[in-house]
Amino acid sequence: GQSLEQPSEVTAVEGAIVQINCTYQTSGFYGLSWYQQHDGGAPTFLSYNALDGLEETGRFSSFLSRSDSYGYLLLQELQMKDSASYFCAVRGGYQKVTFGTGTKLQVIP
Amino acid sequence: GAVVSQHPSRVICKSGTSVKIECRSLDFQATTMFWYRQFPKQSLMLMATSNEGSKATYEQGVEKDKFLINHASLTLSTLTVTSAHPEDSSFYICSARGKGQKIYEQYFGPGTRLTVT
Repeated sequence: GQSLEQPSEVTAVEGAIVQINCTYQTSGFYGLSWYQQHDGGAPTFLSYNALDGLEETGRFSSFLSRSDSYGYLLLQELQMKDSASYFCAVRGGYQKVTFGTGTKLQVIP
Repeated sequence: GAVVSQHPSRVICKSGTSVKIECRSLDFQATTMFWYRQFPKQSLMLMATSNEGSKATYEQGVEKDKFLINHASLTLSTLTVTSAHPEDSSFYICSARGKGQKIYEQYFGPGTRLTVT
């Protein structure tokens, strides 16, 4: 089976940097994705890591260490609009995508 | 590009009735569509995967006869919740992936909130 763990809630100050961690256990691994979801809305794709290392997309970066079964999403220069839930998702055996438990990020002034 | 729509966005139905939810890819051909459900403050749980023209593959624990999925064309998939009960109340989200898109890409619809009274 597959399981992913994330912190349930994180609070950070506007303009700061925040890191959201994700640890996973999977049968088969092809890559780790990150999604953002605002309350009542659809998830939107943020990033994908298939190989170890850091991927940067604007204010967002994502890191993967396959040997540690660990990844994180780094959000820089936080804005109020970044308040949302963030999900990591593993693409595993049979190309099945499993979502993590989600981290609710609250950005405060 | 890569827009997915769902209809309806909200639906309230009585216990025992059936509800159909549509998922459409508006500007690409969706070779694969996924159906998820999400309970409040919880993660997305994959219910089934459907490829155009093929029977859907259901996840363990998802009743095939209760959640009927049809993927009859490259732009439309439907989920029918049959004989709905209050415990079926949830947020149902579809996503789609099309030809030429990366294997890890999925484009999500805006979701359908189902309330069964």
